[in-house]
Amino acid sequence: KAGVTQTPRYLIKTRGQQVTLSCSPISGHRSVSWYQQTPGQGLQFLFEYFSETQRNKGNFPGRFSGRQFSNSRSEMNVSTLELGDSALYLCASSRRTGETGELFFGEGSRLTVL
Amino acid sequence: QQQVKQSPQSLIVQKGGISIINCAYENTAFDYFPWYQQFPGKGPALLIAIRPDVSEKKEGRFTISFNKSAKQFSLHIMDSQPGDSATYFCAETSGSRLTFGEGTQLTVNP
Repeated sequence: KAGVTQTPRYLIKTRGQQVTLSCSPISGHRSVSWYQQTPGQGLQFLFEYFSETQRNKGNFPGRFSGRQFSNSRSEMNVSTLELGDSALYLCASSRRTGETGELFFGEGSRLTVL
Repeated sequence: QQQVKQSPQSLIVQKGGISIINCAYENTAFDYFPWYQQFPGKGPALLIAIRPDVSEKKEGRFTISFNKSAKQFSLHIMDSQPGDSATYFCAETSGSRLTFGEGTQLTVNP
């Protein structure tokens, strides 16, 4: 059974640009969550999607957005990139919303903003 | 703001020793307390978890101890092995989100 797949694995952008990251959950999983990991702030919750609807949102500015498609695949977008957005962006999936204890994480997309 | 305080930040133990990582929480609304293990270049992976109505849970060499009155929980790794060298995160869940501790980098020397 394939795990959570995130693309791209690495990318470099410059300030002011925007970026889109993609996540394919484990087959049969309908909930997708996104987390940002940085050395300074650790792992922080961005948002969760279930059945194409955002169910929960963390404390991030509106430049961070996401969506989920009917096949449960998800994308997140960061607009007007800032240096501080450099981070590892992790996607996690679970069968249903609320199953936070059974989250399965991908290997992440490492974003560097120059 | 961090609602889970994890310590120590780093830990070095000898092979065969016991590794102990502690976490303290503030929000009593949390309903599930998992520990995640993360190797370099990988995403976190669920290691073991406990619900607040249980005081201890053991799975192989890994044990969680939970003290509800003190709002603390800890991970004990018995007979630590070099392969256990990783970063460990405690977490709490509330609804559909995880709140993570700051992480503990564990090094087990052979």
